[in-house]
Amino acid sequence: QSVLTQPPSVSGTPGQTVTISCSGSSSNIGSNTVNWYQQLPGTAPKLLIYSNNQRPSGVPDRFSGSKSGTPASLAISGLQSEDEADYYCAAWDDSLNGPVFGGGTKLTVL
Amino acid sequence: QVQLQESGPGLVKPSETLSLTCTVSGGSVTSDSWYWSWIRQPPGKGLEWIGYLYYSGSTNYNPSLMSRVTISVDTSKKQFSLKVSSVTAADTAVYYCARGRQELNAFDYWGQGTLVTVSS
Repeated sequence: QSVLTQPPSVSGTPGQTVTISCSGSSSNIGSNTVNWYQQLPGTAPKLLIYSNNQRPSGVPDRFSGSKSGTPASLAISGLQSEDEADYYCAAWDDSLNGPVFGGGTKLTVL
Repeated sequence: QVQLQESGPGLVKPSETLSLTCTVSGGSVTSDSWYWSWIRQPPGKGLEWIGYLYYSGSTNYNPSLMSRVTISVDTSKKQFSLKVSSVTAADTAVYYCARGRQELNAFDYWGQGTLVTVSS
């Protein structure tokens, strides 16, 4: 059972916008920034969003993150077939003094 | 470009010790700007943080694994290592090494991962 809570799955059609939520507690999301990772099938996770809403170089601006208290959320606009992947939220946990992850959300592009 | 590569046995017997090494290339390991972590993913499941260390040697482990885990670093070889003792089938997973950026508390570089199966 993961510390952060995400929906197990979401789906959308090409061009649509989907959002993935991530909820936690005061010791993690409530007091620290949220990161998002994209894991394409058979590959390692890749940093997609850091510090709630910042994109690393090379990440398309179709991906955006936000956090207002809890939950945090990841939005993917202009959905493309290559966006099919598992998405994980993560945050530092002050009680653990380490990172915690969500259980992951599988995005299906119909 | 920083690259991380895991290496080690893909099969470990129950009750034995799992040992993996992560080799870092294209960047330095001797900075407190980042911490070096191990993360695992059981087949079909989510990510679990195992622990991290700074190049100075200070470590922190997930309490759920703390009694069985040791992470160490060899700065001369630009490698850091993971040992998990007394393994069971529940330790079967893809093990990733990753670099955490201190200022972001995010993992910006990951190894490709290595599957370790615990079975007799």
